[in-house]
Amino acid sequence: GAGVSQSPSNKVTEKGKDVELRCDPISGHTALYWYRQSLGQGLEFLIYFQGNSAPDKSGLPSDRFSAERTGGSVSTLTIQRTQQEDSAVYLCASSLGVGVGQPQHFGDGTRLSIL
Amino acid sequence: EDKVVQSPLSLVVHEGDTVTLNCSYEVTNFRSLLWYKQEKKAPTFLFMLTSSGIEKKSGRLSSILDKKELFSILNITATQTGDSAVYLCAVENQAGTALIFGKGTTLSVSS
Repeated sequence: GAGVSQSPSNKVTEKGKDVELRCDPISGHTALYWYRQSLGQGLEFLIYFQGNSAPDKSGLPSDRFSAERTGGSVSTLTIQRTQQEDSAVYLCASSLGVGVGQPQHFGDGTRLSIL
Repeated sequence: EDKVVQSPLSLVVHEGDTVTLNCSYEVTNFRSLLWYKQEKKAPTFLFMLTSSGIEKKSGRLSSILDKKELFSILNITATQTGDSAVYLCAVENQAGTALIFGKGTTLSVSS
């Protein structure tokens, strides 16, 4: 079956513009996660969804970052008024749920470059 | 503050060698430890460890967790060039809602 799908694979934009990144999880996976991978840094947790609700937004770095999920499936991560420090690879993951023994499976990511 | 530390940061070996990658953690609410392999893009899942002392094995790869000493190792025997990648260790929080990652070990296997 299909894995986690993210689009676009690459995005280059000018500082100050808004960007939207999309994630389509594995079919049937109710839990969805966003992470950010910056050069020289480990993956950093951003937000978690269970169904359409986001009980854990603790990793969002500022109020310029927001995310939503509709229909318990596709999720969009939006960054407003982008800054150069937002340049990173944004990875999405999904899992069957949050029960024990259900690993997260990752997409290929969106490489975001802010000029 | 929760943290996961991997060592070494990078490693270069010859085909056929055996390697051991290390992961130590200080996480307040631990549920499990996971290993991923990242080549060009998506980290791919290798192992999930929840209990101490039980080895997980898949082909030439194996891993074990020590919850008393708060570390895990990933072993790769008879390495091949296709094993070249970044190996990521992550700890899952108790609620299962987030992974805390180390910075990874970059393994290069030369032929």
